Amino acid sequence: EVQLVESGGGLVQPGRSLRLSCAASGFTFDDYSMHWVRQAPGKGLEWVSGITWNSVNIGYADSVMGRFTISRDNAKNSLYLQMNSLRAEDTAFYYCTKDTRGWIAHWGQGTLVTVSS
Amino acid sequence: EIVLTQSPATLSLSPGERATLSCRASQSVSSYLAWYQQKPGQAPRLLIYDASDRATGIPARFSGSGSGTDFTLTISSLEPEDFAVYYCQQRSTWPTFGPGTKVDIK
Repeated sequence: EVQLVESGGGLVQPGRSLRLSCAASGFTFDDYSMHWVRQAPGKGLEWVSGITWNSVNIGYADSVMGRFTISRDNAKNSLYLQMNSLRAEDTAFYYCTKDTRGWIAHWGQGTLVTVSS
Repeated sequence: EIVLTQSPATLSLSPGERATLSCRASQSVSSYLAWYQQKPGQAPRLLIYDASDRATGIPARFSGSGSGTDFTLTISSLEPEDFAVYYCQQRSTWPTFGPGTKVDIK
């Protein structure tokens, strides 16, 4: 069974940093691209960042470009999101997701990031 | 960047009725479109991919159609558990999502 477990969320002040982690299990992690998708409370889904299996191709939404960095450690079956210069509008649930041919059939339970002073 | 729009924003229907949801892309995405269902407090669930293929375990009352820029998700007869928010997603270079359609009880 595919499991994606996020951690690292919490309350952080504007301008500060936070690092999210995702522990993956139940599948061959280094066979798949992975993404972070976020959802502000009461709002829609927003793709944040994606990374291919070998980390060669990486993408970011315009809203986080230059502030967020995605990475993965295939030896540890883990996905990461380093978030710098956080803003109030980054407040959201952050989901770790597994890409299957461009579709997202597996989602973590989400971790809440709240940016507030 | 491909932008997805969904209509209507809210659809008010009764159980047993047919639901028709629309998703339009700003440029052709061929058949590379998916639909997701999200209930309060839950992560989204993949319903349809490649415009018309049902994901594993999805009931036959859910169907998808369309290609190019115009797509439709149809729920043939609404069950109580189908009242939720539905999002479309395209998979060009990177994924993007539509703003969602809420299906609520009339």
